[in-house]
Amino acid sequence: SAVISQKPSRDICQRGTSLTIQCQVDSQVTMMFWYRQQPGQSLTLIATANQGSEATYESGFVIDKFPISRPNLTFSTLTVSNMSPEDSSIYLCSVANVTEQYFGPGTRLTVT
Amino acid sequence: DQQVKQNSPSLSVQEGRISILNCDYTNSMFDYFLWYKKYPAEGPTFLISISSIKDKNEDGRFTVFLNKSAKHLSLHIVPSQPGDSAVYFCAAHPGSNYQLIWGAGTKLIIKP
Repeated sequence: SAVISQKPSRDICQRGTSLTIQCQVDSQVTMMFWYRQQPGQSLTLIATANQGSEATYESGFVIDKFPISRPNLTFSTLTVSNMSPEDSSIYLCSVANVTEQYFGPGTRLTVT
Repeated sequence: DQQVKQNSPSLSVQEGRISILNCDYTNSMFDYFLWYKKYPAEGPTFLISISSIKDKNEDGRFTVFLNKSAKHLSLHIVPSQPGDSAVYFCAAHPGSNYQLIWGAGTKLIIKP
């Protein structure tokens, strides 16, 4: 298994501002993902964070809104840009091997 | 189109009795299925999985059953304990990459 930490664990932000969430894994992993869980909904994949290249975004998510960095195999950041109340959600970093997937504790974001 | 469905948003079970959580899927190409447990404000925790070549996998109090002809799987928890109160997500592995397809989750409430 992998141990994943995220910073910050929670934040309250004003609309129009940006927040960068950090994800640190205790071992080198190939696959890293960013998910969102909006209130009352299931997990939604935002993008796959690719090491050394641009992230691969899912339908409905764009790089200008959710820029992602992955400078190495143990670290990634997700930025939520120009936030609106609709961005209030839990953001989860995740890593995967062939048959299992592990999640960080999540970052609870509230946009006022 | 929801490829993985958990039709019961919530389930209430008496402590000590059996909890049965259900999940249906539409894509016969899914080769691996997983159950995750999620407490509020935490990331999902891997619980148990099953390969599509099996019809049952057991781990302590948790058993997952897979019925491929019906495209249905279920998670049995026996006996149910108060600490089992959480949201349970069913997820399917599409086989072609690491990205999981998630159900909407079922909130399990264990009553004392």
